[in-house]
Amino acid sequence: SQQGEEDPQALSIQEGENATMNCSYKTSINNLQWYRQNSGRGLVHLILIRSNEREKHSGRLRVTLDTSKKSSSLLITASRAADTASYFCATDANPRSDYKLSFGAGTTVTVRA
Amino acid sequence: DTEVTQTPKHLVMGMTNKKSLKCEQHMGHRAMYWYKQKAKKPPELMFVYSYEKLSINESVPSRFSPECPNSSLLNLHLHALQPEDSALYLCASSQDRLAGVETQYFGPGTRLLVL
Repeated sequence: SQQGEEDPQALSIQEGENATMNCSYKTSINNLQWYRQNSGRGLVHLILIRSNEREKHSGRLRVTLDTSKKSSSLLITASRAADTASYFCATDANPRSDYKLSFGAGTTVTVRA
Repeated sequence: DTEVTQTPKHLVMGMTNKKSLKCEQHMGHRAMYWYKQKAKKPPELMFVYSYEKLSINESVPSRFSPECPNSSLLNLHLHALQPEDSALYLCASSQDRLAGVETQYFGPGTRLLVL
């Protein structure tokens, strides 16, 4: 089931610029994850942030989590053409619902050369 | 080895055919998943296996039949599908954690076209 909303639905930026996308969710969570999907391929896990964490970094990625607002953001710095993809947030609800991740609708990012 | 493999990559089948999708992982994960994904939509969970037992069936029509022969393999048997079943079928696996759902590792998917 889909519990997250992502914003914006689509984003077009110039290479070298930063890209920010947001995810809002409805229920309490154990963790929130971000995945990337290149066109027609499988999803690749980017980063997992737990409910007791506020910010996490991985390379050019920065994720924030605000549990009071039930929202998260993903920042990609110094974007590259290879970052062109769809990005999905996914939440693991608390109490846990037995292996289910709830995916947001996704943000499509296009990085122009 | 952090790879989930899926075969075939592409599949075209008629509505009367029987076919199977295969998924394999060697990461020692005990939870395995089938998802269906339509274009420009997020993945929709179909089935979850935990320790080779069916844990979740998200009210999937019986023309889809999952099977988990062992801890590394997951199959999805297809029979009498409809054109609207055309989609990307994704397999995923994760460690079994009592604390919650951890990272899921996805295969590249099987692109299915039902004629």
